[in-house]
Amino acid sequence: QVQLVQSGAEVKKPGASVKVSCKASGYTFTRYGFSWVRQAPGQGLEWMGWISALNGDINYPQKVQGRVTMTTDTSTSTVYMELRSLRSDDTAVYYCARGESRWELDPWGQGTLVTVSS
Amino acid sequence: QSALTQPRSVSGSPGQSVTISCTGTSSDVGAYNFVSWYQHHPGKAPKIIIYDVTRRPSGVPDRFSGSKSGNTASLTISGLQAEDEADYYCCSPAGSYTNVVFGGGTKLTVL
Repeated sequence: QVQLVQSGAEVKKPGASVKVSCKASGYTFTRYGFSWVRQAPGQGLEWMGWISALNGDINYPQKVQGRVTMTTDTSTSTVYMELRSLRSDDTAVYYCARGESRWELDPWGQGTLVTVSS
Repeated sequence: QSALTQPRSVSGSPGQSVTISCTGTSSDVGAYNFVSWYQHHPGKAPKIIIYDVTRRPSGVPDRFSGSKSGNTASLTISGLQAEDEADYYCCSPAGSYTNVVFGGGTKLTVL
């Protein structure tokens, strides 16, 4: 079955960087793309960007543009999301999700808690 | 891009129906027939229950239905069951398909 397994929880200091991985299995990796979505404590879902494993298309929302980089490794069917210059309000659970489009996402990974604290 | 507007909470008794609204603008919900809805049980991964405004992925019960009128999309859950208690999020493309906006989420309580 299609499965996305994310890397484990991270604790980072303000100003540091974090790189979260998401390993896909159960389908042909290069036929889909991935959105990353985060949920801060007590908040709703927030879209962090998209990367297509099909054609390399990438885009990020303005809010995180310049601080986020998404990459794929087709040899290991893994997608990565790196967020730099971390702030306390980046504390959130980060999800990867497979998509035929940026907004039609199925399935989702189990989530990775990133805590930013001094 | 502002989040889509959803009621913070709705509730209903088992067997009843509830409708959750999702209001956007002519640049997102109103511009595209691609609204999706996600069910999120806290601590678990979100799950898609509606895509393309009205379509259900296989395995999603037909108790879940979606619709749209103008800038507002709606999710209706009929025959409420205890397991439907969760947070629900709408989602839409925006900005020439290159941006995505989520609703603020609605907590459904089954009384």
